[in-house]
Amino acid sequence: QVQLVESGGALVKPGGSLRLSCAASGFTFKIYYMSWIRQAPGKGLEWLSYISSASTYSDYADSVKGRFTISRDDAQNSMYLQMHNLRAEDTAIYYCATENWGAFDYWGQGTLVTVSS
Amino acid sequence: DIVMTQSPDSLAVSLGERATINCKSSQSVSHSSDNKNYLGWYQQKPGQPPKLLIRWASTRESGVPDRFSGSGSGTDFTLTISSLQAEDVAVYYCQHYFGTTRTFGQGTKVEIK
Repeated sequence: QVQLVESGGALVKPGGSLRLSCAASGFTFKIYYMSWIRQAPGKGLEWLSYISSASTYSDYADSVKGRFTISRDDAQNSMYLQMHNLRAEDTAIYYCATENWGAFDYWGQGTLVTVSS
Repeated sequence: DIVMTQSPDSLAVSLGERATINCKSSQSVSHSSDNKNYLGWYQQKPGQPPKLLIRWASTRESGVPDRFSGSGSGTDFTLTISSLQAEDVAVYYCQHYFGTTRTFGQGTKVEIK
């Protein structure tokens, strides 16, 4: 069965960096587009970034453009989100999700990132 | 960027009654090349990740009860729960996937009256 497991969440100081990972199993990872989505405490969902199969295309929400970088390693069935210059407003649960024609059909359980001094 | 606006922000419906959630996009999310509406609906229960209910505005995912239905085209969409059950208490989100960005609506909280 499809499984997505996020990791790497932590408490980090403002201005710091963090790298999140998403380990995928149970499906042919390399053919899927993938996305990162986050949810601040008590708030709604915010799409952050997507990456296409073969890493051909990617895009970012304006809120993270220039600070976050999405990547994938198909040999490791993994996706990553490198985050720099973190701010308090980046505090959230970060989810990875598979994309099927743009709709997010499988989600991980999320990893918590807390940005605080 | 396309902005998705849901209404209402919350609603309370009696068990067995109809719940209707609206979603409006700031520009059309319907592609002329395939006549498809690039819109999905999600359900999120407390402490869980969201679950995709409907894609292409009206195509129910496998295993989703048929009391959930989606309709609309262009910029105006609706999620209807025809007969609210206790397990439907959740926050519901619409999301567009038109172009290279994706945006969610702010969410609608559905409760039992």
